[in-house]
Amino acid sequence: KNQVEQSPQSLIILEGKNCTLQCNYTVSPFSNLRWYKQDTGRGPVSLTIMTFSENTKSNGRYTATLDADTKQSSLHITASQLSDSASYICVVSAGGAGTASKLTFGTGTRLQVTL
Amino acid sequence: ETGVTQTPRHLVMGMTNKKSLKCEQHLGHNAMYWYKQSAKKPLELMFVYNFKEQTENNSVPSRFSPECPNSSHLFLHLHTLQPEDSALYLCASSQEGLAGAGSSYNEQFFGPGTRLTVL
Repeated sequence: KNQVEQSPQSLIILEGKNCTLQCNYTVSPFSNLRWYKQDTGRGPVSLTIMTFSENTKSNGRYTATLDADTKQSSLHITASQLSDSASYICVVSAGGAGTASKLTFGTGTRLQVTL
Repeated sequence: ETGVTQTPRHLVMGMTNKKSLKCEQHLGHNAMYWYKQSAKKPLELMFVYNFKEQTENNSVPSRFSPECPNSSHLFLHLHTLQPEDSALYLCASSQEGLAGAGSSYNEQFFGPGTRLTVL
């Protein structure tokens, strides 16, 4: 059964600090891995998408890594800001023609950035 | 949020009511989706429409009825819902590639969601 597990479930950090969120998956065959940011009561917004051949991708202060051998990904947030407070969702896509049924969603990490 | 819009943003309904959720995408995509998001659970795919044809129905109860009149609009008709149906309902769209075409990851773009409360 395809699964995506994220840790920690929730995290509180001080503004300006860095943090790393983890994603472990058992999805086969693997096509790509996505990180989404979801503000409370809003829809998810894509941060990064990585394929099998990519092991790091940045989007501003967000840097995602992918280790396809160990089936792990991380999302590193640098110099956190209050606006980074949100849920971060890891989504893994199985191989083949893209359809939503091949997406496996994690439950997300709830990040709170405080003063 | 002008890419994918959803109305209403909030909805409170009784179990005997009939209501509809509306989604509109302005991205020229050919596929649209309904998801249910409950607290502390992963997004659950409900329905998929590809080129206006329903291609997926993930064992969703018949009290949820989707409608896709064209590639830009998607509706979710609700009737005789249960309190456990209270959740955030998200619409998404993507450009699905044809077999053999180059992949653009088929990235999904989500709307802001409708927060549904069933009393």
